[in-house]
Amino acid sequence: DAGVTQSPTHLIKTRGQQVTLRCSPKSGHDTVSWYQQALGQGPQFIFQYYEEEERQRGNFPDRFSGHQFPNYSSELNVNALLLGDSALYLCASSRSGRPNEQFFGPGTRLTVL
Amino acid sequence: QKEVEQDPGPLSVPEGAIVSLNCTYSNSAFQYFMWYRQYSRKGPELLMYTYSSGNKEDGRFTAQVDKSSKYISLFIRDSQPSDSATYLCAMSPSGSARQLTFGSGTQLTVLP
Repeated sequence: DAGVTQSPTHLIKTRGQQVTLRCSPKSGHDTVSWYQQALGQGPQFIFQYYEEEERQRGNFPDRFSGHQFPNYSSELNVNALLLGDSALYLCASSRSGRPNEQFFGPGTRLTVL
Repeated sequence: QKEVEQDPGPLSVPEGAIVSLNCTYSNSAFQYFMWYRQYSRKGPELLMYTYSSGNKEDGRFTAQVDKSSKYISLFIRDSQPSDSATYLCAMSPSGSARQLTFGSGTQLTVLP
């Protein structure tokens, strides 16, 4: 049973560029959440997707956007990258009936130069 | 003040010791409480999941929730070097809200 997968593993971008991160949820899961984890900090909630719609959003600017596809996979897009966007981006999946049991992928480490 | 406070450590213990990890929180709406383990450069791994107050045991791990004090704990018995990791507490309110609010994590090292 494959767990949550994310791609790419690492990414280096320069300020002002745009980036797209991808996530495939655990088998049987239909809900995907994205988190940002700065070094030495806990993950911070960005947004959550269910039934191809953004259901909930954390305190992140509109530069952060996402999408969920019919097969439940998801993308996170960040526009106009800032140095402060450098972080580990984590995707978590869950079943709609058990929304608080979220299983995380290995993350994508984004470095903005 | 952060909604969830967690002592960052680092915490070093000898192999076989009982480890106690704790978090406090300020949001009375939190009803679900989780503990995650995160190895270096990996994603968090769900260890324990509890609802409301009480204790839950799973092998060497015991999670405690005291909602009256807004205090949760994770105990690790017979700690092993493989338990060396960062431990994150997380919590969420009931209802349709599903975002997890995390503590900043406690770095644990179990010395052989």
